[in-house]
Order: sequence, then structure tokens, then C-alpha cells
Amino acid sequence: GVTQSPTHLIKTRGQQVTLRCSSQSGHNTVSWYQQALGQGPQFIFQYYREEENGRGNFPPRFSGLQFPNDSSELNVNALELDDSALYLCASSFGQEGYGYTFGSGTRLTVV
Amino acid sequence: AQSVTQLDSQVPVFEEAPVELRCNYSSSVSVYLFWYVQYPNQGLQLLLKYLSGSTLVKGINGFEAEFNKSQTSFHLRKPSVHISDTAEYFCAVILMNRDDKIIFGKGTRLHILP
Repeated sequence: GVTQSPTHLIKTRGQQVTLRCSSQSGHNTVSWYQQALGQGPQFIFQYYREEENGRGNFPPRFSGLQFPNDSSELNVNALELDDSALYLCASSFGQEGYGYTFGSGTRLTVV
Repeated sequence: AQSVTQLDSQVPVFEEAPVELRCNYSSSVSVYLFWYVQYPNQGLQLLLKYLSGSTLVKGINGFEAEFNKSQTSFHLRKPSVHISDTAEYFCAVILMNRDDKIIFGKGTRLHILP
């Protein structure tokens, strides 16, 4: 399946954070979603074969990396209080969203 | 703009009673449709999806949904709920001309009453 680390994280406003995801074996696409409390997940971006090929309405301080070994990262710079959320990673074989498998998420709290 | 509306934020229902969770969408292009479930402190699990074909879709855990194109709805139903169905349920769409991202509704919390 898809595994994410860490499961919980507390950061201070203005800091930077890196969240990690290990995709399901054989999957070549990874997407990240932000789920604020009481809301549905919102699309941040998608990486296909190590390149960003789709992005939602998130500022450039949200960035990502996808590595050849089925792992990926979500980086957030200059953290704001509103960045507190559950961050979900999803992987699939192919860019179509209907093949996604989701991880359990990382709960980020910004204080 | 495309959107997904889940008409009820919370639905209480007695155990072994039937339930329907409502979902409507708005889109200028054709869509694929999904229902996901999120148990407490967990990620998302796919319940069922409609890509094409029969408009009645059966999923896991005894859930089913029916796609109604004229009413732009995709309501989720289960004939008899169990306490283990307590969770948040998300309706979602993928636009056929932008199939990389999933657009989610805000969710419906299903409360099973003993």
C-alpha cells in the first residue's frame, strides 16, 4: 500500500516541513491532498515520472519531489497557521485519478 | 466552476436501518464519480466508483450508488447499517478533460445509533 511518515508533526509558524510518502510498488504517479479540519481533501499537485504535471490552487511555497524508488516528498516553506491539516498522499499507475490508492496521512499542526 | 455538494453534513441513523447519503455535482463536462470512506484517524478508502456502463454501482461493505445524469446526482445507499459504518463519507468527481485531480465534497458524517 501507500505509507506516509511521520503520522503526526508539530511545527512553528515560519518554519519549513517535509512530509514523506512511499508509493505502492509499481506506481509511477503520486498526488498530494490537503484536508483541513471538517473539509474534504483538496488537490495540491501531481507528479508523474518525477515531474510535476498538475497543480491545484496552492502557492509556490508548496513544492514536491518524486524519486525513482517509489518515494516522494511534500515540502512546505514559511508555514502558516492555516497550513494545519491532514496531508494525504495517493499513488497510482498512470495519471488518471480514478486509480489512486491513498495513504493514512500526516497530521500537521502549526502553532 | 465544478463543484460537489453533499447535502447533509451529518446523518444519524439507527443500527440495521437503511441510509441514503446525498451527493449532487455541477460540471460543464462529463465526469467520473466516486464515494470514499474515512474512518477516524485514517486515510481514504474507495467505496465505489462510476466510470461508465450501468448506472447502479455496487461497492464494498454492502454499499451501492446510482448515477442520475439528468439530476446530476450520485446518492449512496445501504439497506442496513452496522455500528462499524460510523465514518465520514466523501463524494468526489473527476472531470474527463482534467483527469489528474479528484474534486471532493465536504463530507457527510454518518452516526449509527444503537
